[in-house]
Amino acid sequence: NAGVMQNPRHLVRRRGQEARLRCSPMKGHSHVYWYRQLPEEGLKFMVYLQKENIIDESGMPKERFSAEFPKEGPSILRIQQVVRGDSAAYFCASSLDGTDTQYFGPGTRLTVL
Amino acid sequence: KNQVEQSPQSLIILEGKNCTLQCNYTVSPFSNLRWYKQDTGRGPVSLTIMTFSENTKSNGRYTATLDADTKQSSLHITASQLSDSASYICVVSDPSGTYKYIFGTGTRLKVLA
Repeated sequence: NAGVMQNPRHLVRRRGQEARLRCSPMKGHSHVYWYRQLPEEGLKFMVYLQKENIIDESGMPKERFSAEFPKEGPSILRIQQVVRGDSAAYFCASSLDGTDTQYFGPGTRLTVL
Repeated sequence: KNQVEQSPQSLIILEGKNCTLQCNYTVSPFSNLRWYKQDTGRGPVSLTIMTFSENTKSNGRYTATLDADTKQSSLHITASQLSDSASYICVVSDPSGTYKYIFGTGTRLKVLA
């Protein structure tokens, strides 16, 4: 049973480009969470999604960031017009339901040049 | 403001020794407290989970304790191994949603041969 998968593991973008981060949850999990970890800081909650629904996006920056979890395929975290401050590790987690333990993927390390 | 603070920031011990990591939180109320282990370049992996009514929980050589009155938790590692070298993160569920984790910044443990 494969764990949570994220790709790419490393992503380099120039300022102004778009970054697309993908997350495939554990088999059987329909709840997905995205977290951001800045250097020397703890992970910070961004958004919680179920299939085709955004449940809680209270941690998402108001502009340039969006997330989706379509009926088929992985969850996508999209960052438009990236800036240097977006450089961070982005972790995805999944769970069986909203109260269950979250299982984390290996993260995508985004570097904005 | 709901916060989770950990100490020490970093710790170096010799293989075979025991150590205790501390977590103080201001999150209130909360439904559960977890300890995660995060290896360098990887996602966090759950070690223990305790509800507010539990005092202690063990997972092999890892034992977590919780004092809800003083809002403190500790993680005790017995007979440390080289593979224990990692960051240990205290995580508390946000009162606004059990799915919304509040992460501490972690304690970086280095075990030397």
